Amino acid sequence: QQQVKQSPQSLIVQKGGISIINCAYENTAFDYFPWYQQFPGKGPALLIAIRPDVSEKKEGRFTISFNKSAKQFSLHIMDSQPGDSATYFCAADPSNFGNEKLTFGTGTRLTIIP
Amino acid sequence: EAQVTQNPRYLITVTGKKLTVTCSQNMNHEYMSWYRQDPGLGLRQIYYSMNVEVTDKGDVPEGYKVSRKEKRNFPLILESPSPNQTSLYFCASKDRFDGELFFGEGSRLTVL
Repeated sequence: QQQVKQSPQSLIVQKGGISIINCAYENTAFDYFPWYQQFPGKGPALLIAIRPDVSEKKEGRFTISFNKSAKQFSLHIMDSQPGDSATYFCAADPSNFGNEKLTFGTGTRLTIIP
Repeated sequence: EAQVTQNPRYLITVTGKKLTVTCSQNMNHEYMSWYRQDPGLGLRQIYYSMNVEVTDKGDVPEGYKVSRKEKRNFPLILESPSPNQTSLYFCASKDRFDGELFFGEGSRLTVL
């Protein structure tokens, strides 16, 4: 049972463009929504996270947009660079502190082409 | 350097031969967890531990065992590995009251 649905599975974006990855969830108890970035041969690393009390969070070129009523959240990467090429995972967790029962999406392989 | 260390990084074994994947963290984190990563399925939680001697099942615990005798170590045990346990395994840890998970570099296991 996939509680967090992520799309697309793969994405190719030209350098300088905007990369957008979408996630949808079903469990209304989720209250912490992180995004993890994974480079080949490495473990995932936290990129950015949001709680549902805000609709948007921005850190540099990375922005999470959150729509609580639609139960959807997305990652936007502005001015995408070849160094952003990686696999991105959205996730969701129902706990107050986060990550005890973190449920991950299926991942998006992002490729930025020159 | 703060890190989560897994060993071995690569292993090829045969069906039924018991194996252990070790995981150690040097950040004094209370929480540790194991995930497996499979194409098209993302990361799925196997077991997690909130503290020493406290473990609980994740979403895919069948065929695995864990123990947490010390705070820094959280080994994953496959008593009788089967080919469907061929996967990329990640150990992770975090502070109990912080959201960020720190992952190891992964252990690629092949069961023939």
